[in-house]
Amino acid sequence: EAEVAQSPRYKITEKSQAVAFWCDPISGHATLYWYRQILGQGPELLVQFQDESVVDDSQLPKDRFSAERLKGVDSTLKIQPAELGDSAMYLCASSEGVNYGYTFGSGTRLTVV
Amino acid sequence: QKEVEQNSGPLSVPEGAIASLNCTYSDRGSQSFFWYRQYSGKSPELIMFIYSNGDKEDGRFTAQLNKASQYVSLLIRDSQPSDSATYLCAVRGSNQAGTALIFGKGTTLSVSS
Repeated sequence: EAEVAQSPRYKITEKSQAVAFWCDPISGHATLYWYRQILGQGPELLVQFQDESVVDDSQLPKDRFSAERLKGVDSTLKIQPAELGDSAMYLCASSEGVNYGYTFGSGTRLTVV
Repeated sequence: QKEVEQNSGPLSVPEGAIASLNCTYSDRGSQSFFWYRQYSGKSPELIMFIYSNGDKEDGRFTAQLNKASQYVSLLIRDSQPSDSATYLCAVRGSNQAGTALIFGKGTTLSVSS
């Protein structure tokens, strides 16, 4: 069964350091999403890509977060500098199109100390 | 602010009983609705989606949609201990910026044997 690949699975970083997460969606999925899930909460959208273009980044804290999907395939989410409040699960998901459900990757659990 | 509301629970049912999970949403223009299951420490996995008013059945799961009341529910028949998880309701928004899913905070279900 096709999967969304994410790495790393776990990341511990110190406050003010830079951190990056990588996602490779299911082959052929044009739509890619990054969500953040704080413990006990539902996932919240950070950014949505359609191919290499950003469709929605209205909830992305752009002073410290950046996301790219240069060739319309895999994607990188970066945080610089990391803050204590960024500790969360970062989930990548992809879908065949904007009207389909998502398949999530296994996520990256970030702890900022 | 478009919202998806769920009772956080926990909802406790005995093995073999019917579990009923409820969700309301604020965006009257929403067109598609999804239920995800999330085990502790894992990423969400899609259980069902529904687009039209009425019931949709898949094995032990039934999704119910009432657009007039802005209400979605998930029934789990013959509940098993393996169904113990957090269930996330997700709604596809109708804003022009994108079509990303908006998630509720989830309802925790506990099935006792």
